[in-house]
Amino acid sequence: DIQMTQSPSTLSASVGDRVTITCRASHSISNWLAWYQQKPGKAPKFLIYKASSLESGVPSRFSGSGSGTEFTLTINSLQPDDFATYYCQQYKSYPYTFGPGTKLDVK
Amino acid sequence: QVQLQESGPGLVKPSQTLSLTCTVSGGSISSGGYYWSWIRQHPGKGLEWIGYIYYSGTTYYNPSLESRVTISLDKSKNQFSLRLSSVTAADTAIYYCARDAGDATDVWGQGTTVTVSS
Repeated sequence: DIQMTQSPSTLSASVGDRVTITCRASHSISNWLAWYQQKPGKAPKFLIYKASSLESGVPSRFSGSGSGTEFTLTINSLQPDDFATYYCQQYKSYPYTFGPGTKLDVK
Repeated sequence: QVQLQESGPGLVKPSQTLSLTCTVSGGSISSGGYYWSWIRQHPGKGLEWIGYIYYSGTTYYNPSLESRVTISLDKSKNQFSLRLSSVTAADTAIYYCARDAGDATDVWGQGTTVTVSS
């Protein structure tokens, strides 16, 4: 299986900040990476596919980059609604695997 | 737009079989192009991909669960189902049904909590 790691595990930030979350894969996954946002008690929400393509309706302050084994999710000008847990998922090979998550909380 | 809704017992006894159904609305499960999936999340933990079924009936299961998992399709009801046998407390989780577009899981059900306990 391809192992996914994320850093940091927790990130404290303030409204208006720019934050970056890193996701790493144990093997190259090209750009077969998706990002999700999850709030407590809710299902994950799909944000980004193929590492950098924004899902329709997702605010442009979210962006993704990377290829191979290292990827980043960047949120510019944090909004109150952005405080949540973020997961990456590889789509290169089965079984699809998720990162352990990064919790973004209020500083 | 497509919506998914899980249903099934919230409590299952150890060694029994967990059975959940996902009802798809706003789109046809038979239209192709999507993989109908199950994903679970242990309490306070991350996400685990269980497996998928394609409209043709092709399935793929996570090897870690393969010996206990069956995913099936009921096209007449626009539903797909999960069966997980010989459950233990380690199978206590929130179970999500979802639509996999091949490059992301783009639609998720709200999730249903299943507790394994006697």
